Amino acid sequence: SQQGEEDPQALSIQEGENATMNCSYKTSINNLQWYRQNSGRGLVHLILIRSNEREKHSGRLRVTLDTSKKSSSLLITASRAADTASYFCATDSTGTYKYIFGTGTRLKVLA
Amino acid sequence: DTEVTQTPKHLVMGMTNKKSLKCEQHMGHRAMYWYKQKAKKPPELMFVYSYEKLSINESVPSRFSPECPNSSLLNLHLHALQPEDSALYLCASSLAGGPQKRETQYFGPGTRLLVL
Repeated sequence: SQQGEEDPQALSIQEGENATMNCSYKTSINNLQWYRQNSGRGLVHLILIRSNEREKHSGRLRVTLDTSKKSSSLLITASRAADTASYFCATDSTGTYKYIFGTGTRLKVLA
Repeated sequence: DTEVTQTPKHLVMGMTNKKSLKCEQHMGHRAMYWYKQKAKKPPELMFVYSYEKLSINESVPSRFSPECPNSSLLNLHLHALQPEDSALYLCASSLAGGPQKRETQYFGPGTRLLVL
Protein backbone atom coordinates (compact mmCIF):
# COMPACT_ATOMS: atom_id res chain seq x y z
CA SER A 1 0.00 0.00 0.00
CA GLN A 2 1.18 3.50 -0.75
CA GLN A 3 -0.43 4.88 2.37
CA GLY A 4 1.78 6.95 4.63
CA GLU A 5 2.24 6.13 8.25
CA GLU A 6 2.08 8.81 10.88
CA ASP A 7 3.28 8.75 14.43
CA PRO A 8 2.35 9.14 17.06
CA GLN A 9 -1.24 8.01 16.49
CA ALA A 10 -2.31 10.23 19.36
CA LEU A 11 -0.61 13.05 21.24
CA SER A 12 -1.74 14.95 24.31
CA ILE A 13 0.12 18.09 25.42
CA GLN A 14 -0.37 21.18 27.55
CA GLU A 15 -1.15 24.54 26.02
CA GLY A 16 2.04 26.40 25.19
CA GLU A 17 4.06 23.26 24.52
CA ASN A 18 5.31 22.26 21.09
CA ALA A 19 3.78 19.34 19.19
CA THR A 20 5.72 17.24 16.70
CA MET A 21 4.21 14.63 14.43
CA ASN A 22 5.92 12.52 11.82
CA CYS A 23 4.94 11.07 8.48
CA SER A 24 6.68 8.32 6.54
CA TYR A 25 5.81 7.31 2.99
CA LYS A 26 6.86 4.61 0.55
CA THR A 27 7.20 5.94 -2.99
CA SER A 28 8.86 8.90 -4.72
CA ILE A 29 6.80 12.05 -4.46
CA ASN A 30 6.35 15.42 -6.15
CA ASN A 31 5.25 17.11 -2.97
CA LEU A 32 3.86 16.45 0.48
CA GLN A 33 1.03 18.33 2.13
CA TRP A 34 -0.26 18.57 5.69
CA TYR A 35 -3.95 18.94 6.50
CA ARG A 36 -5.92 19.49 9.71
CA GLN A 37 -9.34 18.03 10.42
CA ASN A 38 -11.54 19.12 13.30
CA SER A 39 -13.83 16.45 14.76
CA GLY A 40 -15.00 14.70 11.58
CA ARG A 41 -15.41 17.79 9.45
CA GLY A 42 -13.68 18.81 6.23
CA LEU A 43 -9.93 18.98 5.93
CA VAL A 44 -8.10 22.30 5.97
CA HIS A 45 -4.87 22.65 4.03
CA LEU A 46 -1.97 23.78 6.20
CA ILE A 47 1.20 23.67 4.15
CA LEU A 48 2.72 22.16 1.00
CA ILE A 49 6.40 21.27 0.70
CA ARG A 50 7.92 20.34 -2.63
CA SER A 51 10.27 17.40 -3.09
CA ASN A 52 13.22 19.75 -3.68
CA GLU A 53 12.58 21.68 -0.46
CA ARG A 54 13.88 20.66 2.95
CA GLU A 55 12.06 23.01 5.31
CA LYS A 56 9.12 25.35 5.19
CA HIS A 57 7.49 27.69 7.72
CA SER A 58 4.00 29.12 8.00
CA GLY A 59 3.19 31.03 11.17
CA ARG A 60 3.56 28.59 14.09
CA LEU A 61 4.02 25.66 11.72
CA ARG A 62 7.35 24.23 10.62
CA VAL A 63 7.54 21.35 8.16
CA THR A 64 10.64 19.40 7.23
CA LEU A 65 11.06 16.90 4.44
CA ASP A 66 13.79 14.26 4.08
CA THR A 67 13.32 12.52 0.75
CA SER A 68 16.24 10.16 1.40
CA LYS A 69 14.41 8.79 4.44
CA LYS A 70 10.97 9.26 2.86
CA SER A 71 9.78 11.15 5.91
CA SER A 72 8.37 14.51 6.96
CA SER A 73 7.65 16.17 10.26
CA LEU A 74 5.18 18.85 11.31
CA LEU A 75 6.04 21.01 14.30
CA ILE A 76 3.41 23.22 15.90
CA THR A 77 4.99 25.70 18.28
CA ALA A 78 3.31 27.29 21.29
CA SER A 79 0.23 25.12 20.88
CA ARG A 80 -3.26 26.36 21.71
CA ALA A 81 -6.44 24.53 22.66
CA ALA A 82 -7.78 25.43 19.21
CA ASP A 83 -5.03 23.29 17.65
CA THR A 84 -6.85 20.19 18.95
CA ALA A 85 -7.59 18.22 15.79
CA SER A 86 -6.41 15.32 13.64
CA TYR A 87 -3.45 16.03 11.38
CA PHE A 88 -2.85 14.16 8.13
CA CYS A 89 0.01 14.16 5.68
CA ALA A 90 -0.82 13.57 2.02
CA THR A 91 1.59 12.50 -0.68
CA ASP A 92 1.33 12.16 -4.42
CA SER A 93 3.27 9.63 -6.41
CA THR A 94 5.56 10.89 -9.13
CA GLY A 95 3.64 10.63 -12.38
CA THR A 96 0.17 10.77 -10.84
CA TYR A 97 -1.99 13.49 -9.38
CA LYS A 98 -3.62 11.25 -6.85
CA TYR A 99 -3.04 12.13 -3.20
CA ILE A 100 -2.82 9.40 -0.59
CA PHE A 101 -3.40 10.36 3.03
CA GLY A 102 -1.39 9.09 5.97
CA THR A 103 -2.98 7.39 8.95
CA GLY A 104 -3.17 10.64 10.92
CA THR A 105 -2.17 11.96 14.34
CA ARG A 106 -4.88 12.94 16.82
CA LEU A 107 -3.61 15.94 18.78
CA LYS A 108 -5.22 17.09 22.00
CA VAL A 109 -4.05 20.36 23.53
CA LEU A 110 -5.10 20.77 27.15
CA ALA A 111 -5.89 24.27 28.42
CA ASP B 1 -14.32 32.61 -2.38
CA THR B 2 -12.39 29.50 -1.32
CA GLU B 3 -15.39 27.48 -0.29
CA VAL B 4 -16.57 24.06 -1.28
CA THR B 5 -20.14 23.39 -0.22
CA GLN B 6 -21.77 20.00 0.26
CA THR B 7 -25.38 19.04 0.75
CA PRO B 8 -26.92 17.51 2.69
CA LYS B 9 -24.89 17.70 5.92
CA HIS B 10 -26.45 14.48 7.19
CA LEU B 11 -28.27 11.69 5.38
CA VAL B 12 -29.99 8.57 6.66
CA MET B 13 -31.09 6.07 4.05
CA GLY B 14 -32.32 2.51 3.80
CA MET B 15 -30.61 -0.13 1.69
CA THR B 16 -33.29 0.14 -1.01
CA ASN B 17 -33.25 3.93 -1.26
CA LYS B 18 -31.76 6.09 -3.99
CA LYS B 19 -30.20 9.36 -2.89
CA SER B 20 -27.64 11.86 -4.16
CA LEU B 21 -24.88 13.88 -2.55
CA LYS B 22 -24.07 17.25 -4.04
CA CYS B 23 -20.89 19.31 -4.10
CA GLU B 24 -20.35 22.79 -5.50
CA GLN B 25 -17.38 25.14 -5.89
CA HIS B 26 -17.02 28.52 -7.58
CA MET B 27 -13.25 28.85 -7.53
CA GLY B 28 -12.82 27.97 -11.18
CA HIS B 29 -11.23 24.65 -10.26
CA ARG B 30 -11.27 22.01 -12.95
CA ALA B 31 -10.51 18.96 -10.81
CA MET B 32 -13.02 17.57 -8.30
CA TYR B 33 -12.74 14.62 -5.98
CA TRP B 34 -14.87 12.31 -3.84
CA TYR B 35 -13.38 10.74 -0.73
CA LYS B 36 -14.85 8.33 1.81
CA GLN B 37 -13.74 8.54 5.42
CA LYS B 38 -14.54 6.09 8.20
CA ALA B 39 -14.20 7.10 11.83
CA LYS B 40 -10.59 7.57 12.99
CA LYS B 41 -9.29 6.68 9.52
CA PRO B 42 -7.78 8.82 6.75
CA PRO B 43 -9.84 9.87 3.73
CA GLU B 44 -9.81 7.29 0.93
CA LEU B 45 -9.99 8.49 -2.64
CA MET B 46 -13.01 7.26 -4.60
CA PHE B 47 -13.21 9.30 -7.82
CA VAL B 48 -11.41 12.14 -9.58
CA TYR B 49 -12.92 14.30 -12.30
CA SER B 50 -10.65 16.42 -14.43
CA TYR B 51 -12.23 18.91 -16.85
CA GLU B 52 -15.62 17.23 -16.29
CA LYS B 53 -14.31 13.82 -17.32
CA LEU B 54 -13.87 10.90 -14.95
CA SER B 55 -10.14 10.30 -14.75
CA ILE B 56 -9.79 8.07 -11.70
CA ASN B 57 -12.14 5.43 -10.31
CA GLU B 58 -10.52 3.64 -7.39
CA SER B 59 -12.41 0.39 -8.02
CA VAL B 60 -15.48 1.77 -6.29
CA PRO B 61 -18.59 -0.50 -6.32
CA SER B 62 -21.19 0.44 -8.91
CA ARG B 63 -23.72 1.30 -6.21
CA PHE B 64 -21.81 4.61 -6.11
CA SER B 65 -22.23 6.56 -9.34
CA PRO B 66 -20.47 9.91 -9.78
CA GLU B 67 -21.60 12.66 -12.11
CA CYS B 68 -20.04 15.99 -13.06
CA PRO B 69 -22.72 18.04 -14.87
CA ASN B 70 -20.43 21.07 -15.21
CA SER B 71 -17.15 22.39 -13.89
CA SER B 72 -18.73 23.72 -10.67
CA LEU B 73 -20.87 20.75 -9.68
CA LEU B 74 -20.15 17.21 -8.61
CA ASN B 75 -22.77 14.66 -7.62
CA LEU B 76 -22.54 11.22 -6.09
CA HIS B 77 -25.59 9.05 -6.74
CA LEU B 78 -26.23 6.31 -4.20
CA HIS B 79 -28.29 3.20 -4.76
CA ALA B 80 -28.68 -0.07 -2.85
CA LEU B 81 -26.02 0.83 -0.31
CA GLN B 82 -24.90 -1.43 2.49
CA PRO B 83 -24.55 -0.55 6.18
CA GLU B 84 -20.76 -0.68 5.81
CA ASP B 85 -21.02 2.26 3.40
CA SER B 86 -21.91 4.48 6.35
CA ALA B 87 -19.16 7.10 6.52
CA LEU B 88 -18.29 10.76 6.02
CA TYR B 89 -18.20 11.59 2.32
CA LEU B 90 -15.90 14.45 1.46
CA CYS B 91 -15.76 16.45 -1.73
CA ALA B 92 -12.66 18.41 -2.73
CA SER B 93 -11.53 20.53 -5.63
CA SER B 94 -8.21 21.74 -6.98
CA LEU B 95 -7.05 24.05 -9.72
CA ALA B 96 -6.43 21.33 -12.30
CA GLY B 97 -5.89 17.62 -12.23
CA GLY B 98 -2.98 17.18 -14.61
CA PRO B 99 -0.08 14.91 -13.71
CA GLN B 100 2.81 16.27 -11.65
CA LYS B 101 0.83 19.37 -10.72
CA ARG B 102 1.62 20.75 -7.28
CA GLU B 103 -1.79 21.58 -6.01
CA THR B 104 -3.78 22.25 -2.91
CA GLN B 105 -7.08 20.50 -2.49
CA TYR B 106 -9.92 22.47 -0.91
CA PHE B 107 -12.35 20.29 1.02
CA GLY B 108 -16.02 20.68 1.76
CA PRO B 109 -17.41 19.98 5.26
CA GLY B 110 -18.65 16.54 4.22
CA THR B 111 -21.92 14.62 4.27
CA ARG B 112 -22.30 12.18 7.13
CA LEU B 113 -24.14 9.16 5.72
CA LEU B 114 -25.85 6.46 7.74
CA VAL B 115 -27.19 3.40 5.93
CA LEU B 116 -29.74 1.36 7.85
